[in-house]
Amino acid sequence: DAGVIQSPRHEVTEMGQEVTLRCKPISGHDYLFWYRQTMMRGLELLIYFNNNVPIDDSGMPEDRFSAKMPNASFSTLKIQPSEPRDSAVYFCASSLWAGEGGYTFGSGTRLTVV
Amino acid sequence: AQKITQTQPGMFVQEKEAVTLDCTYDTSDPSYGLFWYKQPSSGEMIFLIYQGSYDQQNATEGRYSLNFQKARKSANLVISASQLGDSAMYFCAMREDSGGSNYKLTFGKGTLLTVNP
Repeated sequence: DAGVIQSPRHEVTEMGQEVTLRCKPISGHDYLFWYRQTMMRGLELLIYFNNNVPIDDSGMPEDRFSAKMPNASFSTLKIQPSEPRDSAVYFCASSLWAGEGGYTFGSGTRLTVV
Repeated sequence: AQKITQTQPGMFVQEKEAVTLDCTYDTSDPSYGLFWYKQPSSGEMIFLIYQGSYDQQNATEGRYSLNFQKARKSANLVISASQLGDSAMYFCAMREDSGGSNYKLTFGKGTLLTVNP
């Protein structure tokens, strides 16, 4: 099992550019989560999916952020246009429906917007 | 209101000793789960241990145990026989199982543990 795979590991972009973060969950996991981690705000849930359907996107900061899950093995988080305050580590995580075994996190994408 | 509170920004422990990391939570949901994660300096989030609200016994996983005191709404992590590799940030998290947004984890601010040789 390769775990949750995120790409890229690091992204540096200029303000105003579009950024797309990618995630491949563990096969068979029904839930997929996008989190953002910053020093100021800690770990925040942005959005999560169940069976590819967005369930709760109340954590998405603003319309500049969008997330999709076109199939069970792929999700994207897009920021357009990016701003310096979007700089953070973005984690994708997946889990089975019960979640007792913990949610498996990817290695994260460190985004820097200059 | 904070749902997960970790009052210790940093903790120090001597190698081979035990350490307790505090976590209190706030929920009115009768069904919930409590999790602990470790984040070493490399940045990945590593799941350590889980406790369900209806579990009668405290969870244990190797050197990790969860001291679950339901009435006090606390879920402290105990690490026995600390090792240098235990130095990391530790996060407590909760999942509330009822309501419209099941299965999302809410995290505390974390405790930075340093194990001294």
